[in-house]
Amino acid sequence: GAVVSQHPSWVICKSGTSVKIECRSLDFQATTMFWYRQFPKQSLMLMATSNEGSKATYEQGVEKDKFLINHASLTLSTLTVTSAHPEDSSFYICSAYSGSLGTDTQYFGPGTRLTVL
Amino acid sequence: GEDVEQSLFLSVREGDSSVINCTYTDSSSTYLYWYKQEPGAGLQLLTYIFSNMDMKQDQRLTVLLNKKDKHLSLRIADTQTGDSAIYFCAGATGNQFYFGTGTSLTVIP
Repeated sequence: GAVVSQHPSWVICKSGTSVKIECRSLDFQATTMFWYRQFPKQSLMLMATSNEGSKATYEQGVEKDKFLINHASLTLSTLTVTSAHPEDSSFYICSAYSGSLGTDTQYFGPGTRLTVL
Repeated sequence: GEDVEQSLFLSVREGDSSVINCTYTDSSSTYLYWYKQEPGAGLQLLTYIFSNMDMKQDQRLTVLLNKKDKHLSLRIADTQTGDSAIYFCAGATGNQFYFGTGTSLTVIP
């Protein structure tokens, strides 16, 4: 149980285009979903926290107009990288949190590797 | 926020025990976690410990928590080549997680 999927797993796009990444909790309802960014050989950097039906809370330094987050349901959150540029190339990981699972933990998706040419 | 620190690299021989250490600054974390990340993959929850526990054992994994020193460790017994990965410790206050820098474990056959 507690499986989180991401789609796509790898995407290559041209500079200036927008890319949407989906995060789904497959067998539980997530009250909160998180989006992280990870650079090579570095730890995870929290980008934003989203609760279903409300606006996402962005961490300092993260452009909310560039990284659009929609948390449409208790099982789906999307991250759209708008007008992507090469410096947006990174590994994006989502996680889903449910306090009802007993461990108060976050369950992570497998990640999406974005390469912007 | 919380600062969570780990040593960056660890190499062990196959069959030996590995000990990965983590120190943190905020003692209000309810749970402390260990995650494993293999190359190009997301984070896999390995184990966790409730903050009022000193030790938790789960098969080859042993977690030790020293709240006084704010020190958390993960011991992997009989380390195998498949254990080679990056290991992250994390503290949690509510639903906010604070991750360590990650320790890259290399297992030498």
